[in-house]
Amino acid sequence: GAVVSQHPSWVICKSGTSVKIECRSLDFQATTMFWYRQFPKQSLMLMATSNEGSKATYEQGVEKDKFLINHASLTLSTLTVTSAHPEDSSFYICSASTLPGLAGGSSYNEQFFGPGTRLTVL
Amino acid sequence: AQSVSQHNHHVILSEAASLELGCNYSYGGTVNLFWYVQYPGQHLQLLLKYFSGDPLVKGIKGFEAEFIKSKFSFNLRKPSVQWSDTAEYFCAVNPRQPGTYKYIFGTGTRLKVLA
Repeated sequence: GAVVSQHPSWVICKSGTSVKIECRSLDFQATTMFWYRQFPKQSLMLMATSNEGSKATYEQGVEKDKFLINHASLTLSTLTVTSAHPEDSSFYICSASTLPGLAGGSSYNEQFFGPGTRLTVL
Repeated sequence: AQSVSQHNHHVILSEAASLELGCNYSYGGTVNLFWYVQYPGQHLQLLLKYFSGDPLVKGIKGFEAEFIKSKFSFNLRKPSVQWSDTAEYFCAVNPRQPGTYKYIFGTGTRLKVLA
């Protein structure tokens, strides 16, 4: 149980285009989803937290107009990188969490991670 | 600000050597603690987790970690490493604050095991 998928697993795009990355919780209802980015040989940096049906909360320094997050359902969140540039090339990882006690969730605050999406902007 | 420190950035060991990776955090309240492994080119995998109870936690692949509350530490150990343990290891802390599920990740430790 508690499987999270991401699509696509990798994407190459031209500078100036927008890219959408999907994150799905396959067997549980994700009340909260998180988006991270990981630069080569570095740690995961939290970009934003999104709760189903409400606006995402962005971490300091993350441009909300550039990284659009939508969490329209309990099983799907999307991250859109708008007007992508080469410096946006990175590994984007989502995770999902659910309220303790809900079916499929953990008894505590536990995040389940997706496999990541590698974005390369030319 | 809350932070997680992994003091060993790079570790090189020979096969069968013992491993201990340090993880310290700065948060005075109750925490959930995690260790993840990321093999080259792969995604994060959960090694072990601590929520409550016995502070000595056993995980997959022979790994264990000990939570020492007084030292704000959650060090990862393995008595005998294998070449296949070559990977990057991340410690993560979730401060148990109402309304938040945030994880704070350490900077990672890159382990290389020599055959």
